[in-house]
Amino acid sequence: GDSVTQMEGPVTLSEEAFLTINCTYTATGYPSLFWYVQYPGEGLQLLLKATKADDKGSNKGFEATYRKETTSFHLEKGSVQVSDSAVYFCALGGNTGFQKLVFGTGTRLLVSP
Amino acid sequence: NAGVTQTPKFQVLKTGQSMTLQCAQDMNHNSMYWYRQDPGMGLRLIYYSASEGTTDKGEVPNGYNVSRLNKREFSLRLESAAPSQTSVYFCASSGLHSQETQYFGPGTRLLVL
Repeated sequence: GDSVTQMEGPVTLSEEAFLTINCTYTATGYPSLFWYVQYPGEGLQLLLKATKADDKGSNKGFEATYRKETTSFHLEKGSVQVSDSAVYFCALGGNTGFQKLVFGTGTRLLVSP
Repeated sequence: NAGVTQTPKFQVLKTGQSMTLQCAQDMNHNSMYWYRQDPGMGLRLIYYSASEGTTDKGEVPNGYNVSRLNKREFSLRLESAAPSQTSVYFCASSGLHSQETQYFGPGTRLLVL
């Protein structure tokens, strides 16, 4: 079945460092790909998404490119802030009709001043 | 727009007690979901309702029941709570198409003693 694999955390960085969180997937067909973020004590919220190969999703300085050849959707940010400390989830969905989302296990990011 | 609301925010139960978690959305979404979140396990889907009038089991349905009361409301019932059901429960909703974003509620923290 479909699955998502994320790098283990926590990822610990200093403010203004470069961030990469790896995400790879296994799926049939052409899924949509998502990054969700969960701030402490809150529910998940969409950070960005891409619905077809080579698409780049971006939001709040974060970017991820849908790479079908490597089945990857790595999350990047050029300069992290303390306020980016959160748990980040990679997820995949279908591209037609209704299909449940499949989530990765999440990666905790800790940014220190 | 309140988005997705959940009640209660926090609940303590004794083993064997029952309770219902309430969820409502005001975005006119067709699909609704119940997840549980446990440390190191990410999000696991308990039940979902692709559209009003339908419900289906997710990854971890045992010990739970759901009711899609109308398009807005989707409740989760624990008939006889067990300590293994101690978790944080999230409700989410989305449009019918799998490319669409899921919107999450703030969560219910449940402790079963």
